[in-house]
Amino acid sequence: DIVMTQSPLSLSVTLGQPASISCRSSQSLLHSNGYYYLDWYLQKPGQSPQLLIYLGSNRASGIPDRFSGSGSGTDFTLKISRVEAEDVGVYYCMQALQTPITFGQGTRLEIK
Amino acid sequence: EVQLVESGGGLVQPGGSLRLSCAASGFTFTTYWMSWVRQAPGKGLEWVANIKEDGSEKYYVDSVKGRFTISRDNAKNSLHLQMNSLRAEDTAVYYCARWRGSNIDYWGQGILVTVSS
Repeated sequence: DIVMTQSPLSLSVTLGQPASISCRSSQSLLHSNGYYYLDWYLQKPGQSPQLLIYLGSNRASGIPDRFSGSGSGTDFTLKISRVEAEDVGVYYCMQALQTPITFGQGTRLEIK
Repeated sequence: EVQLVESGGGLVQPGGSLRLSCAASGFTFTTYWMSWVRQAPGKGLEWVANIKEDGSEKYYVDSVKGRFTISRDNAKNSLHLQMNSLRAEDTAVYYCARWRGSNIDYWGQGILVTVSS
C-alpha cells in the first residue's frame, strides 16, 4: 500500500499570510500517462470534502487562484498564497495511482 | 446539478448487517466510476471501495474484504454498499463519491453508521 504522510498536522496562520502543506508518498505517484496521481481536498467544518487540486497541480473548477499545487515523484506541496477565513478546515492529500486509494492524515488549518 | 444522496445508515449491533444506498442525479451515472469513502468520528478519510461504470470491476480496502459488497443499479442511478459482519471499527460517516478520471469530484453529504451494542 502507498503510505501518504502530511506535515504539519496543524497550522495556525494569520489572515492574509501564506500557508504551505507538504505531502509525501512512500512511492512515486507518476502514472504511465505522465501525470502525477495526487489530489488535494479540503473538508470545511461540518461539510463533506471538496476537491481543490487534481493531478498534482490542476485547480478544480471554482477554486480560487490563491491555491496552488506542485511537486513530483514522492514530494508534493499545497500552497495558499494569502489565507482567508473561509480556508479553515482540514486538508487531505490523496493518491489515486493504485488501490487501495490512500489519504494523508490531514492537516488542520486555523486562523491565528 | 450533481447530487449524491446517501440513505440507509443507523445503529446496528456488532455482527449485524446494513445496506447503504446512494441516489445519484444530475449526471450520466453510467459513465462514472463510483466510490464509498468513510470517516470515523474525529478521524481522517478512508477509502472503502470502488466500482467501475458497468459494475464489472470492484476494489476494496483490505479491512472490509469479504464483509462488504459494493454494487450499482444503472437503471435506477443508484449505488449500494452491503455491509455484513459489522464491527465497532466500522462506525463512521460513509460518503458516496463520484470519480472523474483520477480524482473524486463530487461527494454526498454522508450517512452515519454506528456499530454498538
